[in-house]
Amino acid sequence: DIVLTQSPGTLSLSPGERATLSCRASQSISSSYLAWYQQKPGQAPRLLIYGASSRATGIPDRFSGSGSGTDFTLTITRLEPEDFAVYYCQQYGYSPTWTFGQGTKVEIK
Amino acid sequence: EVQLVESGGGVIQPGGSLRLSCAASGFTVSSKYMNWVRQAPGKGLEWVSALYGGASTYYADSVKGRFIISRDTSKNTLYLQMNNLRADDTAVYYCATISGSYLDCWGQGTLVTVSS
Repeated sequence: DIVLTQSPGTLSLSPGERATLSCRASQSISSSYLAWYQQKPGQAPRLLIYGASSRATGIPDRFSGSGSGTDFTLTITRLEPEDFAVYYCQQYGYSPTWTFGQGTKVEIK
Repeated sequence: EVQLVESGGGVIQPGGSLRLSCAASGFTVSSKYMNWVRQAPGKGLEWVSALYGGASTYYADSVKGRFIISRDTSKNTLYLQMNNLRADDTAVYYCATISGSYLDCWGQGTLVTVSS
């Protein structure tokens, strides 16, 4: 089974700063099968990025995704107050299965 | 507008059964593949089960043989029948629509607590 490892566990930044979140897969995966979600306390996850780099409907362009093979990145260019949340990467397997990373919390410094 | 509303959660004793519902609006459940995903308190997301088409069902190993996913098109509702519940099934359960390889619309979740 593919394992997704996200780093860092917690990212402490100030509004306006750039956030770089990493998601590493235990084996190579198709970029088409890598997505990112945002979750705020008490809320359901929200799809941000699919296919590693495509923004979901309504997602601001300060969010971008990149990567291939085993290494993927979510970048938030200028953190807004509403961006402080937990972010999960997810990969799709053929069984089918959906596997999530353990999450990265972006907190206000 | 696509909307999913889960219900049916609550407190249940170990070994008990519970059925969760996910009422859909803005689309028909027969037109979408759908998932259940859960999140234990303070933990990350865990995929539970998927329903493809009318009869193709898939389960995580942790729930296989105990949980059953189904739908009722007349009620436009997805279900998760959970049997032989264990303490480690305690979680918020979300239903979500599947779009290719990702989950594009999520409900607000319903909390299941397995405790004596």
